[in-house]
Amino acid sequence: SQQGEEDPQALSIQEGENATMNCSYKTSINNLQWYRQNSGRGLVHLILIRSNEREKHSGRLRVTLDTSKKSSSLLITASRAADTASYFCATDITSGSRLTFGEGTQLTVNP
Amino acid sequence: KAGVTQTPRYLIKTRGQQVTLSCSPISGHRSVSWYQQTPGQGLQFLFEYFSETQRNKGNFPGRFSGRQFSNSRSEMNVSTLELGDSALYLCASSLSKGANLYGYTFGSGTRLTVV
Repeated sequence: SQQGEEDPQALSIQEGENATMNCSYKTSINNLQWYRQNSGRGLVHLILIRSNEREKHSGRLRVTLDTSKKSSSLLITASRAADTASYFCATDITSGSRLTFGEGTQLTVNP
Repeated sequence: KAGVTQTPRYLIKTRGQQVTLSCSPISGHRSVSWYQQTPGQGLQFLFEYFSETQRNKGNFPGRFSGRQFSNSRSEMNVSTLELGDSALYLCASSLSKGANLYGYTFGSGTRLTVV
């Protein structure tokens, strides 16, 4: 079964708006990562946040991690049409273990 | 520097046949992981190789196998193909075991269709 579950499954917004996606997981983790996938292509690594970190920024991306609630959120600010993609969270349970992916959020940014 | 290269990009096979997919990781990366992606099951872990040794294996039947060569290139093989094996097969490489330091770098995938 999937370790992570993303919410919402699909999100449609206008260009310039912010997009927030959430991820919940079941077991303790070593780190949590976010990936983007454009239609039918490979995944692109966006950001990695360790279990002892609470927030991380990278450009227009902001990721938070709440280990007490076993949840994370990805915020994309000032979205662009090019941000249209599926976004996945993935968890690493112990250092060096496999990554387990959630089911993804399909984000559509309308011009 | 070159990314992760997967070949072929597309493949159509008949039920009962076997198939071999290839993955060349980023130069210097010693870990290669394989994932199967389908609309119904999402991304499912197949196996991971590090320095020619299989470190982890997912919950797939024995028809799915893989190997890694001394130059870190990896192949996965699926024998006796079934319709349900139709999927996007993704290869990911990383510097360290698993993806705990910098995350994975994925290839573009091989789209396998079984007819």
